[in-house]
Amino acid sequence: AQKVTQTQTSISVVEKTTVTMDCVYETRDSSYFLFWYKQTASGEIVFLIRQDSYKKENATVGHYSLNFQKPKSSIGLIITATQIEDSAVYFCAMRDFNYNVLYFGSGTKLTVEP
Amino acid sequence: DMKVTQMPRYLIKRMGENVLLECGQDMSHETMYWYRQDPGLGLQLIYISYDVDSNSEGDIPKGYRVSRKKREHFSLILDSAKTNQTSVYFCASSSADWGGANGQNTLYFGAGTRLSVL
Repeated sequence: AQKVTQTQTSISVVEKTTVTMDCVYETRDSSYFLFWYKQTASGEIVFLIRQDSYKKENATVGHYSLNFQKPKSSIGLIITATQIEDSAVYFCAMRDFNYNVLYFGSGTKLTVEP
Repeated sequence: DMKVTQMPRYLIKRMGENVLLECGQDMSHETMYWYRQDPGLGLQLIYISYDVDSNSEGDIPKGYRVSRKKREHFSLILDSAKTNQTSVYFCASSSADWGGANGQNTLYFGAGTRLSVL
């Protein structure tokens, strides 16, 4: 069964604006870990940011931040002041506490235009 | 230098041929993974290896097998490749406690191998 769902297949924004990408997940664990990755045009997969389920404060790294809504099983990625080089495919992923495996969503392609 | 290296980067094979994809890491990570990536499906786990000769099936193991005889090396084998195994294959590695409260933040991914089975 699919554990991580990204319904937005592609998003296009203008440079310097803010974009939000959605992700919902399924798990039976009370503790789990959520991640966002970026896949560049070359295919490289880069870790961006993580959220631990037991932390109430939303994670922030640089111009990436998360909107974690635990009751809705939702973890949105927010990119502020977007740049052309933010154009990429963004993957949401989840790891259950007791299982050492990362499950990925299907990805959202972000295009940042001048 | 923390690195996961995949060889080859590109491979074209005919249906029915055997395929060997190789992956190496220089971080002494216990755990290694093989994922495949198809359009619209994200990355799907094929196999996970917890250490030498300790391998488990992932979500889509059919048609694949793996070998891990050294901690730093993990191979994916396709016996008699099929056209529906055309995909991009990613290897990854991690410490045993990755992603936990005190562990490393992430898996480390290789650059991928693009396999075409004709």
